[in-house]
Amino acid sequence: GAVVSQHPSRVICKSGTSVKIECRSLDFQATTMFWYRQFPKQSLMLMATSNEGSKATYEQGVEKDKFLINHASLTLSTLTVTSAHPEDSSFYICSAYKQIPGTGAGGDTQYFGPGTRLTVL
Amino acid sequence: AQSVTQLDSQVPVFEEAPVELRCNYSSSVSVYLFWYVQYPNQGLQLLLKYLSGSTLVKGINGFEAEFNKSQTSFHLRKPSVHISDTAEYFCAVSSRGSSNTGKLIFGQGTTLQVKP
Repeated sequence: GAVVSQHPSRVICKSGTSVKIECRSLDFQATTMFWYRQFPKQSLMLMATSNEGSKATYEQGVEKDKFLINHASLTLSTLTVTSAHPEDSSFYICSAYKQIPGTGAGGDTQYFGPGTRLTVL
Repeated sequence: AQSVTQLDSQVPVFEEAPVELRCNYSSSVSVYLFWYVQYPNQGLQLLLKYLSGSTLVKGINGFEAEFNKSQTSFHLRKPSVHISDTAEYFCAVSSRGSSNTGKLIFGQGTTLQVKP
């Protein structure tokens, strides 16, 4: 199997506070994880690529200082939304990149977590 | 640059009827192709993927998709849908070979609504 968990599944916070979301690959090691944001009735927008032991690579337009990503181990990446504001309210989804032996680059598959619903009041 | 276009935002269909969800892509490099399903308030689940070989790919839950290189399409089909298939479906691509970073580019999504 390839199971990815996220915690918490739902969080409500006050404006100005920081929120940490965890993404764990439960039964495999993932050197690469991805963080997405999804607005209602819309597609997933890639925010950043998280690489174990190195700095994250952010997509254009994503504020690095606002969305802090840490990938401290092969099974855990965290996204911290700093000084959250109502416009940061969204569904945040992570994925872990599982390498499949023998298929070469690209044969690897992303396995997605169940998502975290963030509501900033 | 790559892009994915899902031609239908919503597809209503009656239970036990066949369905096709359309996906076209644009890319300057060769790609891998994926279909994911998302149930309400959940993450994405991989339905199927095309890496190489046979252009007809079979996935979970009775779904299949056919890669058509000349038409740059990867349409998803199911011969007989169930109420439980009601969900959001996303088509996605990633680059092959040396340009692969693992990034997925998603289409806008298609809502499949199965009616009794």
